[in-house]
Amino acid sequence: DGGITQSPKYLFRKEGQNVTLSCEQNLNHDAMYWYRQDPGQGLRLIYYSQIVNDFQKGDIAEGYSVSREKKESFPLTVTSAQKNPTAFYLCASSTGHSGNTIYFGEGSWLTVV
Amino acid sequence: KQEVTQIPAALSVPEGENLVLNCSFTDSAIYNLQWFRQDPGKGLTSLLLIQSSQREQTSGRLNASLDKSSGRSTLYIAASQPGDSATYLCAVNDYKLSFGAGTTVTVRA
Repeated sequence: DGGITQSPKYLFRKEGQNVTLSCEQNLNHDAMYWYRQDPGQGLRLIYYSQIVNDFQKGDIAEGYSVSREKKESFPLTVTSAQKNPTAFYLCASSTGHSGNTIYFGEGSWLTVV
Repeated sequence: KQEVTQIPAALSVPEGENLVLNCSFTDSAIYNLQWFRQDPGKGLTSLLLIQSSQREQTSGRLNASLDKSSGRSTLYIAASQPGDSATYLCAVNDYKLSFGAGTTVTVRA
């Protein structure tokens, strides 16, 4: 089935560790996005990519890094510089045109222990 | 910077009642507005997309209106059912998506 796959669903990170969240899509979409969701708040944009080998910072990029080496993959690394990483992370994709629908994966829960 | 507000934050209604969910935004220069549904611990499912040139969109029991000049959108859900219980988010696209915090709906059987 076509869609967006995020893994792992649950991840625990120790203080000082970097962790990487995977996002894969088989929708042939050009644009991919990473959002963070905290309880009672709307989604906040971390990074987005409109095309392979190019990406831009969103509103809360500090402490995060991404890569876009393949059209179908957009992994997010949460670095030790991110002071409050415990959150629900959502990956999304779209055709890249402003008028089109955006589709979301099922999300990944990251908890710092 | 685009600000998106959803009021109320939570809503509880008996089964069969119509639902009215509100979304307001501060900058009317948008490409489109999208309504999403989110179940607990899950990703977002797109419900309706309204282009900036449209006034409303309908899908089954769902109807969304858009008044761009006043910065408002309303999602109507007719004859609510317990399965409609979820959080509903609106997102405004003005080169990137800006989300409201959502309205959590509980439909009581």
